Amino acid sequence: GQSLEQPSEVTAVEGAIVQINCTYQTSGFYGLSWYQQHDGGAPTFLSYNALDGLEETGRFSSFLSRSDSYGYLLLQELQMKDSASYFCAVREEGSYIPTFGRGTSLIVHP
Amino acid sequence: EAGVTQFPSHSVIEKGQTVTLRCDPISGHDNLYWYRRVMGKEIKFLLHFVKESKQDESGMPNNRFLAERTGGTYSTLKVQPAELEDSGVYFCASSHYRSGRANEQFFGPGTRLTVL
Repeated sequence: GQSLEQPSEVTAVEGAIVQINCTYQTSGFYGLSWYQQHDGGAPTFLSYNALDGLEETGRFSSFLSRSDSYGYLLLQELQMKDSASYFCAVREEGSYIPTFGRGTSLIVHP
Repeated sequence: EAGVTQFPSHSVIEKGQTVTLRCDPISGHDNLYWYRRVMGKEIKFLLHFVKESKQDESGMPNNRFLAERTGGTYSTLKVQPAELEDSGVYFCASSHYRSGRANEQFFGPGTRLTVL
C-alpha cells in the first residue's frame, strides 16, 4: 500500500516564501504530483516530478528526492489568492491512479 | 475547451434514498475517475474507466455504489440506498489516455452530497 504525510496547515505572510513538504511510502514509486484546491473549487494540477530535482513553473516549484521518499512544493512571492489546500499525490508503477495525501491548508496573511 | 462538469453541485437527501451523480469529462479524454473527499481527509479514489470499461474499481466502498459510463462519454455514479457515511464531496476527473501528461488529471468542481 501507499501512505503520504503532509502538514495539515501552514501560514505565511504575503510576499514570503513557503515550503509544503510531502513524505511518502510506496512499493513502486513512479511519480509525485501536486494539486491546488480553493474552497468549493476543483483540484487543479500544478506539477509532476518523476526524477530527482527541482521543477520550476513561475512562482511555484516542486522538488523530488526519490532516495529520501520526499518532495516539496515551494511557493514564492506569496499572494492572498494562494490561500488554498495543496495536495501531494503519488503514482505507483503500472497504475494511472494517484494516491492523494490529506492536503495542506495554506493561509496567507496580509 | 470546456472543462469537466458535474451535476448536481449539491445534493441533500435522507438516509435510504437514492442519488445519481453525473460527470461529463473533457471531450476526447478516455480516462475518467471518480473520487470522494470526506471533510478534512484525503481525496480517496473510487474507480477508473477507460472509455466505457471499468479499469479499476477497487476503491468502491460497497455494492450500494454503482458507476456506469455508457458509450464512453459521460459517467454516472448512483448511491442506493444512501447512508450517513456517504456524505462528502464526490469529484470526477478525466485525462487523455496516450498523453505524455497522463499524470495530469482535470478535475470537475465536485458534487457535495449530504445524507441526513
